[in-house]
Amino acid sequence: ELKVEQNPLFLSMQEGKNYTIYCNYSTTSDRLYWYRQDPGKSLESLFVLLSNGAVKQEGRLMASLDTKARLSTLHITAAVHDLSATYFCAVDPTSGSRLTFGEGTQLTVNP
Amino acid sequence: GAVVSQHPSRVICKSGTSVKIECRSLDFQATTMFWYRQFPKQSLMLMATSNEGSKATYEQGVEKDKFLINHASLTLSTLTVTSAHPEDSSFYICSAPPGQGSGYTFGSGTRLTVV
Repeated sequence: ELKVEQNPLFLSMQEGKNYTIYCNYSTTSDRLYWYRQDPGKSLESLFVLLSNGAVKQEGRLMASLDTKARLSTLHITAAVHDLSATYFCAVDPTSGSRLTFGEGTQLTVNP
Repeated sequence: GAVVSQHPSRVICKSGTSVKIECRSLDFQATTMFWYRQFPKQSLMLMATSNEGSKATYEQGVEKDKFLINHASLTLSTLTVTSAHPEDSSFYICSAPPGQGSGYTFGSGTRLTVV
């Protein structure tokens, strides 16, 4: 059974600081997805990582994938309050089969 | 990009009644739709997978007779919560599989409250 683990589960950080969220998964997969969820809302796609070594950046967020280590990271640079949300990673070993989600990381950025 | 329209966004119903949630793919054909449930402060859990023209596949522990899933066409999948009870109160989200090089498309979610 595929397991996806995120850490930390809760992250409180100050504006301007950097931090990394980690996502480990238990089964071989070349695809990993990062999503953002605001309270009461559905998921917003952040990154689609489709190969080993993939790195993508959007604004203050950068995601990477190491399929050999079964690890993805979501790096936050110079955090701002607007980044406060819950972040999920998810894996589908077979494209289009189903997504298995991590537990989510609740990020709070304090002024 | 691909859009999945989910309705209603919120619904409050009485115990014992049924509620139908619809997900439509607006600009593409979805032969498969995934249905997730999310309880407060928790992650998304896959309930079932609907397939156009065939029976849905349910995850272990999900009651087929309680959560009726129908995939009537290539653009419409529905989830009906039958004889709803307060413990069914949750956030339900549908999702279509990814296109070439893209990610999964999620509906906007339905907040169900059973009173």
